[in-house]
Amino acid sequence: KNQVEQSPQSLIILEGKNCTLQCNYTVSPFSNLRWYKQDTGRGPVSLTIMTFSENTKSNGRYTATLDADTKQSSLHITASQLSDSASYICVVSADMTDKLIFGTGTRLQVFP
Amino acid sequence: EAGVAQSPRYKIIEKRQSVAFWCNPISGHATLYWYQQILGQGPKLLIQFQNNGVVDDSQLPKDRFSAERLKGVDSTLKIQPAKLEDSAVYLCASSPATGANTGELFFGEGSRLTVL
Repeated sequence: KNQVEQSPQSLIILEGKNCTLQCNYTVSPFSNLRWYKQDTGRGPVSLTIMTFSENTKSNGRYTATLDADTKQSSLHITASQLSDSASYICVVSADMTDKLIFGTGTRLQVFP
Repeated sequence: EAGVAQSPRYKIIEKRQSVAFWCNPISGHATLYWYQQILGQGPKLLIQFQNNGVVDDSQLPKDRFSAERLKGVDSTLKIQPAKLEDSAVYLCASSPATGANTGELFFGEGSRLTVL
C-alpha cells in the first residue's frame, strides 16, 4: 500500500535554531517528492519538488534531501524564524497511478 | 498573477443541510482538484478534473457529494445532505499540467466547513 509517514508529529524549537523533519514513504514506482508549508488557516504552499535523480534541493533557508534507495526524505530548516511556525506536509507522487499521496504533516512551532 | 480563489472561507451549517463551495483556478490551468482536509490530517483527494472532464472521483462519496466544472474553468463542490463527519477544510488546487506527476499544484486558501 502506498503510504507517506512523517515524523515527528509536532516539534517546538526556539527562534534561530535549526531543525530537521523526516518523511518515509512506501510509494512505488516513485515519480517525485514534494514538501509543502501550510500556515494555520491557509492553503499549502510548495517549497520543493524533487525527482528520482535529485538528492538535494534548496529554497532559501529550507533544504530538502532525498534518498530514493531508502525511500526517505528530510526537510532541514536553518536559522528558524517565527514565521516558520506551520505544518509541513510531505507529498509523494506515484508514477503509474499519477496520484499524490499526502503525509499527515509535522506541526512546527517556533518560539522567541 | 492571481491565485486560486475559493469561497466562502467559512460556513457553519446543521447536519442534513446542504452547502456549496466555489473555486476559481489560476487562469489557463487545465487541471483542478478538490481536497478534503480534516483537522490534523493531510489533504485527501475528492475529485480531479482535466478541463471539464473528470479524471478521478474514486474517493468522492457520491451519495452526498457532487462536483462540476462545466466550462473547464470554475468549479463547484456540493454536499447534500451534510453529516457531522464532513466538518473539514475543503481545498481547491489547480495545475497547468495535465497530470499530478508533472505539475506544480497551487492551492487556494480553503473553505472551512463546520457541521453542527
